[in-house]
Amino acid sequence: QVQLVESGGGLVKPGGSLRLSCAASGFTFSDYYMSWVRQAPGKGLEWVSYISSSGNTMYYADSVKGRFTISRDNAKNSLYLQMNSLGAEDTAVYYCARVSLLPYSYGMYYFDYWGQGMLVTVSS
Amino acid sequence: DIQMTQSPSSLSASVGDRVTITCRASQTISSYLNWYQHKPGKAPKLLIYVASRLQSGVPSRFSGSGSGTDFTLTISSLQPEDFATYYCQESHSPSYTFGQGTKLEIK
Repeated sequence: QVQLVESGGGLVKPGGSLRLSCAASGFTFSDYYMSWVRQAPGKGLEWVSYISSSGNTMYYADSVKGRFTISRDNAKNSLYLQMNSLGAEDTAVYYCARVSLLPYSYGMYYFDYWGQGMLVTVSS
Repeated sequence: DIQMTQSPSSLSASVGDRVTITCRASQTISSYLNWYQHKPGKAPKLLIYVASRLQSGVPSRFSGSGSGTDFTLTISSLQPEDFATYYCQESHSPSYTFGQGTKLEIK
């Protein structure tokens, strides 16, 4: 069965860095786009970034552009999120999600499997 | 950027009720609309994709409809396990914007 397990979260000081990982299993990782989504305390879901199956194309939310970098290692079935210049506004639970495409469609993507989430707290 | 607006923001209902949640996009998005269920401390769960397609394993009491800018998620007969927060999400643009969520509570 599909499993996504995040790791690497924790407490970091403002201005600091953290790298999240997501270990994937139960499917052919290299066939799928992947994404990160976060939820700040008391807030709704916010899309953060996604990466194409090959790793050649990445998109970012404006709120993290220039500070966060998404990457993947298809040989290790792993997705990453390097987070730099962290601020209190980045405090959230971060989820990795598999992105599927409706066959024979153009861009009809949906996030069909999600990890349990990893808490990142930015505080001094 | 596309804005997604859900209504209501919260809703109280009873087991057995029929419930409808609406989602409006700030510009036309065809059928590029997904619905998720999220419970505290759990992974979000895909319910409906491409506006009306039921994700495998999701009970048939959930249904989605709409196209263009206006969409609905309907739960035909609420079950105790359905009390959660529901989000719509557009996939028309590479920003995958979510609605602000609708919290469904027990009356």
